[in-house]
Amino acid sequence: RKEVEQDPGPFNVPEGATVAFNCTYSNSASQSFFWYRQDCRKEPKLLMSVYSSGNEDGRFTAQLNRASQYISLLIRDSKLSDSATYLCVVNGQGGSEKLVFGKGTKLTVNP
Amino acid sequence: SAVISQKPSRDICQRGTSLTIQCQVDSQVTMMFWYRQQPGQSLTLIATANQGSEATYESGFVIDKFPISRPNLTFSTLTVSNMSPEDSSIYLCSVEDRKTSYEQYFGPGTRLTVT
Repeated sequence: RKEVEQDPGPFNVPEGATVAFNCTYSNSASQSFFWYRQDCRKEPKLLMSVYSSGNEDGRFTAQLNRASQYISLLIRDSKLSDSATYLCVVNGQGGSEKLVFGKGTKLTVNP
Repeated sequence: SAVISQKPSRDICQRGTSLTIQCQVDSQVTMMFWYRQQPGQSLTLIATANQGSEATYESGFVIDKFPISRPNLTFSTLTVSNMSPEDSSIYLCSVEDRKTSYEQYFGPGTRLTVT
């Protein structure tokens, strides 16, 4: 089983749609969880950390289910500018600083 | 978050040569990392750059191929040695924000093409 697995995508949605990304991780000792976004030919940028109780930042909501080792990201009222690749990221073995990146899910929001 | 710069931003190199990539941060950071992102793939950690000691390499990466320096808390270099076309990739440095539990911030990357 891969350390971090994401929906393969790509996702193509109209503006205003709600879209959800799912991610599973294999290391039950992981303590830190993140969603990054990466625009074409750019570096990854931190979108949000994911906390145990779930957290929301504007149109973005992240959820964590430790029992199922599952993370999700929900984008409401999607904008053209949300088009990017979304990377699920988990810290590695033994709660180390090492981050393990999923392959990413590409999102295209269409007018 | 810290401001991170990398040089060069891109380069085209001949096989068998070496390229050194620089990463500069505008503030002192404890943890710096080097990643590779091959075309169409996600990021893979090459090594953790330790200040004042040898870098810690991940499985599949060795010091002879990817020597790393970390002379102080704001600067690191990664050298890609004896390059082959398989080394064509984007190389990114990142720093960790210890105040916010393992969040990492990335430099703009160096796009390397080996011919």
